[in-house]
Amino acid sequence: GQQVMQIPQYQHVQEGEDFTTYCNSSTTLSNIQWYKQRPGGHPVFLIQLVKSGEVKKQKRLTFQFGEAKKNSSLHITATQTTDVGTYFCAGNFGNEKLTFGTGTRLTIIP
Amino acid sequence: GAGVSQSPSNKVTEKGKDVELRCDPISGHTALYWYRQSLGQGLEFLIYFQGNSAPDKSGLPSDRFSAERTGGSVSTLTIQRTQQEDSAVYLCASRRTGLTTEAFFGQGTRLTVV
Repeated sequence: GQQVMQIPQYQHVQEGEDFTTYCNSSTTLSNIQWYKQRPGGHPVFLIQLVKSGEVKKQKRLTFQFGEAKKNSSLHITATQTTDVGTYFCAGNFGNEKLTFGTGTRLTIIP
Repeated sequence: GAGVSQSPSNKVTEKGKDVELRCDPISGHTALYWYRQSLGQGLEFLIYFQGNSAPDKSGLPSDRFSAERTGGSVSTLTIQRTQQEDSAVYLCASRRTGLTTEAFFGQGTRLTVV
């Protein structure tokens, strides 16, 4: 079936260090979305990428969509304690079913 | 309401009982999704609706699980003869029609089967 994998599953970083999570699909995605789930909360939309090779930035967050539209990454520069949570990518494979990646849980060591 | 509303927020039930979980999506959102999240785990897709139709129900774990949506609005997820492995948070999300629209999640229903 169409699955979206994310690595790493967990990441512990010192505050101020950078963080990256990678999202991979075996088949081409129509688009990719990123969500953040704070501990005890529900996923909240961050951003969407649609075009091949697209790069978008939100303050310290940089999102990329691969040229083949099969992979994506989220990079956070100089992490802060407010970045704690689980980051999910989610994609569409040509229909409206929204498939979520396995998620990367980020913890920050102050 | 302004957001996706789920009820109940918490449900404790005895093994073997049936439960109904309700999702009230954002008005005008034609797509509605159900996911299951076990403690510390990812989002397991269960089913999605486009209007009242369910184009993909492939994620329903067994025939004890069913869902319906009426009037293109409220959806109910029913679990019959609950088992302990059904314990999880059940999340509902809705979004406007289209692949590029963002999904809005409810707060979830935490189901505990004892």
